[in-house]
Amino acid sequence: IVLTQSPGTLSLSPGERATLSCRASQRVAGNYLAWYQQRPGQAPRLLIYGASGRATGIPDRFSGSGSGTDFTLTISSLEPEDFAVYYCQQYGGSPYAFGLGTKLEIK
Amino acid sequence: QVQLVQSGAEVKKPGASVKVSCKASGYTFNNYGIDWVRQAPGQGLEWMGWISVNNGNTHIAQRFQGRVTLTTDTSTATAYMDLRSLRSDDTAVYFCAREAATGFLLYWGQGSLLTVSS
Repeated sequence: IVLTQSPGTLSLSPGERATLSCRASQRVAGNYLAWYQQRPGQAPRLLIYGASGRATGIPDRFSGSGSGTDFTLTISSLEPEDFAVYYCQQYGGSPYAFGLGTKLEIK
Repeated sequence: QVQLVQSGAEVKKPGASVKVSCKASGYTFNNYGIDWVRQAPGQGLEWMGWISVNNGNTHIAQRFQGRVTLTTDTSTATAYMDLRSLRSDDTAVYFCAREAATGFLLYWGQGSLLTVSS
């Protein structure tokens, strides 16, 4: 399965809403789709699992939606610490591929 | 608390091999799989493979088959990733990550930088 993330870069201001897309080349089994945030110099951090389940400790401004081949990560109101790179990953079947990422930058 | 502590940075010559370790603590090691993910400088995440700690089964991404071996030592709660026939484009940070029950990557190591240079 190939995961295509869009846009490649998203320029927004704090307080704005961010919508990130992840499209799979074929159906993701069980909607086993995760989203990770990666800040510079850090390991990735799990945000969302199972397309819409929020990981422990993740603020409720982060939400995931979608099923089948189309998935979305929404950040309702951007905080300064949210500007980072976001990756989707499918884990419904090997290989557990990642998308190429969306860089969320400050406008 | 769950921790994955990886081995330190390495510099290798082309054609050599490297073994990266990932020592786990804070949970029952046998109960969860370990994945390996790498990230070349300025690039995205690349999934390399997975090992079931319980039975040693592995899934290796096709592009790494024949060059990567994943193993674990349950006596020391440590996972290992062996990468052979190193090339300059293997220069990357290598992460280990512990799966949750259904396979997403819940806990990550700090990463190990591998530099391949002659």
